[in-house]
Amino acid sequence: NAGVTQTPKFQVLKTGQSMTLQCAQDMNHNSMYWYRQDPGMGLRLIYYSASEGTTDKGEVPNGYNVSRLNKREFSLRLESAAPSQTSVYFCASGDTNTGELFFGEGSRLTVL
Amino acid sequence: GEDVEQSLFLSVREGDSSVINCTYTDSSSTYLYWYKQEPGAGLQLLTYIFSNMDMKQDQRLTVLLNKKDKHLSLRIADTQTGDSAIYFCAESGVSGAGGGADGLTFGKGTHLIIQP
Repeated sequence: NAGVTQTPKFQVLKTGQSMTLQCAQDMNHNSMYWYRQDPGMGLRLIYYSASEGTTDKGEVPNGYNVSRLNKREFSLRLESAAPSQTSVYFCASGDTNTGELFFGEGSRLTVL
Repeated sequence: GEDVEQSLFLSVREGDSSVINCTYTDSSSTYLYWYKQEPGAGLQLLTYIFSNMDMKQDQRLTVLLNKKDKHLSLRIADTQTGDSAIYFCAESGVSGAGGGADGLTFGKGTHLIIQP
């Protein structure tokens, strides 16, 4: 059971570089999410997609863009990385019947 | 706005009960959740409770909900070393199941530390 798969697991960037975090789920969920986790801050929602073809801003969207490529895939892009974006990023998909969110294992990003 | 508060650390002796507390502000939340995060891993759902329930028990886990005080607690009986993790409280807000709209609002997480 793959569940939610996100890549890469680790990435080091220099300030100003761009990169895309990939996420895919195989549970046929309509909704998908990107969160970031920082020490002492808990999880904060960056963007979400309630269904294929729609995306919406969360609590901390600045500096990020997302694409809901199809029902399975939801990517997060940093166009010009900043040190403040050093974090652990989690992708999740949601089961609307139970309300449960299923999380990937996280992507640890360091921006120098 | 929505806010979920929980203490950052809890230390208990192995074999004792752990009680992790959480307060939330959104009285319209339909579901309230407890997630567990082990080191280097993502979050996994431990249990959830529907807002019209007062208590839910699942093996060693007991969830108590006080809607009047907007207080949620998670009790882990006979705490073991494998219970060492970060525990997140989360609320669904108005969206009901929480998985179909703007996601869940999480607390900052409580680090459960087990003493031998």
